[in-house]
Amino acid sequence: ETGVTQSPTHLIKTRGQQVTLRCSSQSGHNTVSWYQQALGQGPQFIFQYYREEENGRGNFPPRFSGLQFPNYSSELNVNALELDDSALYLCASSYTGLVKGETQYFGPGTRLLVL
Amino acid sequence: QQPVQSPQAVILREGEDAVINCSSSKALYSVHWYRQKHGEAPVFLMILLKGGEQKGHDKISASFNEKKQQSSLYLTASQLSYSGTYFCGTGRHSGYALNFGKGTSLLVTP
Repeated sequence: ETGVTQSPTHLIKTRGQQVTLRCSSQSGHNTVSWYQQALGQGPQFIFQYYREEENGRGNFPPRFSGLQFPNYSSELNVNALELDDSALYLCASSYTGLVKGETQYFGPGTRLLVL
Repeated sequence: QQPVQSPQAVILREGEDAVINCSSSKALYSVHWYRQKHGEAPVFLMILLKGGEQKGHDKISASFNEKKQQSSLYLTASQLSYSGTYFCGTGRHSGYALNFGKGTSLLVTP
């Protein structure tokens, strides 16, 4: 059984640019959630995808968007990058996304630095 | 909606016990505990779903008081490997997202 994988591991961008982060869910899981973790803070929920549709969204602006593919992998896209977007971006997968309190398993994250 | 964790940081000697608390002002459906080591992903420890439920895993256990919207994580006879930042993530009745606290930094020394 493979765990959650993310790419790239690190990324440096400049303000105003766009970035795409990728996530492959754990084997057997069809739901992916994305979180932003600023330094010294807990993860903050961005959104969740279940069967290629957004299944919930946190308090993030529309320039944060996502996709989920038929193989349940997912992308997080951020447009018009701002300095405050510098953070660790975590992807978490879960089995169905439809069961409250379902366990979410995190990937290693992508560390984004915006200059 | 962010749960409040206490203490913010704790230093233990190997073999000592610790308690980490997590409280919310909103009604909770579930509490999820994770441990994160520096530069690594959060690792799932346990999930609690029912009021008054307790769970245990080796020497780590947790309780969830649904009426008080509080959960506590108990680490007994701490080991060096317990060092890291512990996060509680809370789930609400209204959705599937987890809201995480700011974390409790735990350092176990020899």
